Parts: sequence; C-alpha cells; structure tokens
Amino acid sequence: GENVEQHPSTLSVQEGDSAVIKCTYSDSASNYFPWYKQELGKGPQLIIDIRSNVGEKKDQRIAVTLNKTAKHFSLHITETQPEDSAVYFCALNDYKLSFGAGTTVTVRA
Amino acid sequence: EAGVAQSPRYKIIEKRQSVAFWCNPISGHATLYWYQQILGQGPKLLIQFQNNGVVDDSQLPKDRFSAERLKGVDSTLKIQPAKLEDSAVYLCASSSGPNGRVDLWSGYTFGSGTRLTVV
Repeated sequence: GENVEQHPSTLSVQEGDSAVIKCTYSDSASNYFPWYKQELGKGPQLIIDIRSNVGEKKDQRIAVTLNKTAKHFSLHITETQPEDSAVYFCALNDYKLSFGAGTTVTVRA
Repeated sequence: EAGVAQSPRYKIIEKRQSVAFWCNPISGHATLYWYQQILGQGPKLLIQFQNNGVVDDSQLPKDRFSAERLKGVDSTLKIQPAKLEDSAVYLCASSSGPNGRVDLWSGYTFGSGTRLTVV
C-alpha cells in the first residue's frame, strides 16, 4: 500500500498547549487525507479530513494543513484538553485507507 | 444511526486452532473492510468487499485467512490455523459512496474491533 510516515510516535503536552503531528507521503496522485483518533479499546474515528484542492481546514480546536508540493500534511490541536489524549493516525485514501504508524498523544493536567 | 458491530470483543486461542470474527456494517453501506492492527502499529488492510464481491484481498494471507460477505451485508473473517503472529486487533469498517460505489471521499466508520490473543 501507499507509504505514509508519521512523526512523532509519542507526544506529551501540557494541558492548554498545542500539539502538532506531521505526515509525509510519496504518491503525488493522493488526493484525500483523513485523520483518525483512536481511544483505548475503540476503533479509529474520523476527526477531520482535507482534500488536495484545499491548503487548510479547521474544525473548532483542530486543524489540518496540506502541502502537496512537499507531500506532507499536519494535524494541529490547540488548547489541548485531557480528553484529547489518544492515538492519532494520518491516512491516505486511494480507494482504500493506508495508515501511518500513529502518534500517542498524552495531555498532562 | 447504529455503528459497525463486531463480535466477539476478545478471543484467546492456542496456536493452530481456528477462530472466526463477525461484522455487521452500517445499514446501507456497500463497502466493507477488514483491517489488522498489531499493537503499536497502524491498521493494515486485509480485504475489501464491494457488496458481496471482493475488491482487494492482496494483503490477505490466503493460506490461513478467509473472509466472506454473504448477501452483501454481514461478513465473517476466519483464521485457520492461527499463528502467534496473528495476535492483533481485527477491525471492521464500512463506507458508502454514491450509488453504493467506492467513494474516494467517504469517511470510514470503524467498529470497536476484536482483540485476538494467540498463545
């Protein structure tokens, strides 16, 4: 499947601070970039997505940016809260989802 | 709407035994996926169904894994015989595009998964 590299693998932030997760990909034909959040014991849940004709998308405290030229996209979480603690996955959708390795985010109270 | 249902939630078996997982997708979703998620990794696609036909099973270890989706609704994934390296969470997901076709822009809805431990 499509190769997606995700960094960092773990991220610890103080409550209220921002968290940023970055992903890079190799297939320039990729056009859709979703982000999933996975809580313990649950399946991944779609939290935000972006299409290739858009450079940035926001939804309350989360935002995603896309740089197609550089082939990378990022997830930004602002004003982090304890409930943001989870594993986050970037993915590409080329008629099937290819996931990054995941980032474990811990928000310290 | 009801989510993707999976059962059982947990299963422990000995190596060389067989096991089956069941998935009921969201009503009306034509596309169903089985993913394998090994601890600490992202989910990896095993097989993709469009209605009751297989679209992609290139990553399915066919010597031991099999899957079916009778009548284009529920699906079962079977492992026989199981190996230690099959220990993982098996996730089922469904999605729906226009006219029931695979849609590049459709989000997937995942079930909670079945955690398999092979000892």
